Amino acid sequence: SQQGEEDPQALSIQEGENATMNCSYKTSINNLQWYRQNSGRGLVHLILIRSNEREKHSGRLRVTLDTSKKSSSLLITASRAADTASYFCATEPLRGANSKLTFGKGITLSVRP
Amino acid sequence: DAGITQSPRHKVTETGTPVTLRCHQTENHRYMYWYRQDPGHGLRLIHYSYGVKDTDKGEVSDGYSVSRSKTEDFLLTLESATSSQTSVYFCAISSGTGANEQFFGPGTRLTVL
Repeated sequence: SQQGEEDPQALSIQEGENATMNCSYKTSINNLQWYRQNSGRGLVHLILIRSNEREKHSGRLRVTLDTSKKSSSLLITASRAADTASYFCATEPLRGANSKLTFGKGITLSVRP
Repeated sequence: DAGITQSPRHKVTETGTPVTLRCHQTENHRYMYWYRQDPGHGLRLIHYSYGVKDTDKGEVSDGYSVSRSKTEDFLLTLESATSSQTSVYFCAISSGTGANEQFFGPGTRLTVL
């Protein structure tokens, strides 16, 4: 079964608006990562947040992590048409071996020009 | 996708035939992974490798085998392809140190008729 579950499944916004995507997970984690996938391409790593961190920023991206609620959110500020893609959260388990990640099913973000 | 390639990029085959997909990296990363991506299921781990000749099963390993005889190459074999193995296959690599983010190849679209 999937460890990470993203919410919503699909999101459509206007260019310039902020996009917020959520991820929930079930077991204790070492870190949580967000990836982007453009249509027909491989996934690209966006940002990683460790279990002892609560918030992290990278450019227009802001990630938060609440380990008590086992949830994370990804905020993209001032969205652009080029942000249109699928976004996945992935978790690395706390006691897992060999650097395995478990991915969610993804969120489809559409940014209208 | 720099540093990681997959071949072939597209393949159409008949049910019952053997198929081998190749992943090649130039990053000298220790870990290599094979995933399949299907609508409604997100990304699921098939097999992974944590070193030369060291491999282990993932979430959906039935019907697949892997081999890693060199650091740079990770082969995925479908011994007898079935229509349920029609999918997009992604290879990923990670160093296994530090952040443990994964870097993905461009994918192979496999159709089993």
